[in-house]
Amino acid sequence: AQKVTQAQTEISVVEKEDVTLDCVYETRDTTYYLFWYKQPPSGELVFLIRRNSFDEQNEISGRYSWNFQKSTSSFNFTITASQVVDSAVYFCALRDPTNFGNEKLTFGTGTRLTIIP
Amino acid sequence: NAGVTQTPKFQVLKTGQSMTLQCAQDMNHEYMSWYRQDPGMGLRLIHYSVGAGITDQGEVPNGYNVSRSTTEDFPLRLLSAAPSQTSVYFCASSYLSPLDEQFFGPGTRLTVL
Repeated sequence: AQKVTQAQTEISVVEKEDVTLDCVYETRDTTYYLFWYKQPPSGELVFLIRRNSFDEQNEISGRYSWNFQKSTSSFNFTITASQVVDSAVYFCALRDPTNFGNEKLTFGTGTRLTIIP
Repeated sequence: NAGVTQTPKFQVLKTGQSMTLQCAQDMNHEYMSWYRQDPGMGLRLIHYSVGAGITDQGEVPNGYNVSRSTTEDFPLRLLSAAPSQTSVYFCASSYLSPLDEQFFGPGTRLTVL
């Protein structure tokens, strides 16, 4: 079965520090997709990134970077020089291909990140 | 372009009552879904639809019904509310599937007494 584990329930860091959010996944599929979504205090989830299993290159977008390692089944998310606006709940998700054509995502339980000014 | 809209934002029900949570999107997306968010459990998929007239069950479908008569609308019906359905409900849509970027609505906070 598909599973996504975000072991860090809550993290607090002081502004401008770097922080890494961990995501560990389990799947028996050779082709799969991983996602990160952000849920700011306003409540609406916002898409951050999608990565497929064939692309292990790290991704960088401004202060955000993602480290995908198939050897450890991890897809970690790092925020560099954190800012108060980064305070949110972050979800990692895995595509569940149980039924081809009926695509579903399995979400982790989320990590609440608080940036202290 | 309103994106994904949900109504109501807050609702209190008594056990046994029924109601419909509304969801609409104006992006001509084929894929729509309903999730519930509970503390410590992340988001769990209730039902989803890959297009008008097509719906399927997600991880936690019991006690909920959906229909998709148009591309734009995807209402979620609670048949007989139970306290276990107290949760925050999110509707989401994406172009063809959840592999595409999903756009989420603002959520409905439901309390069942």
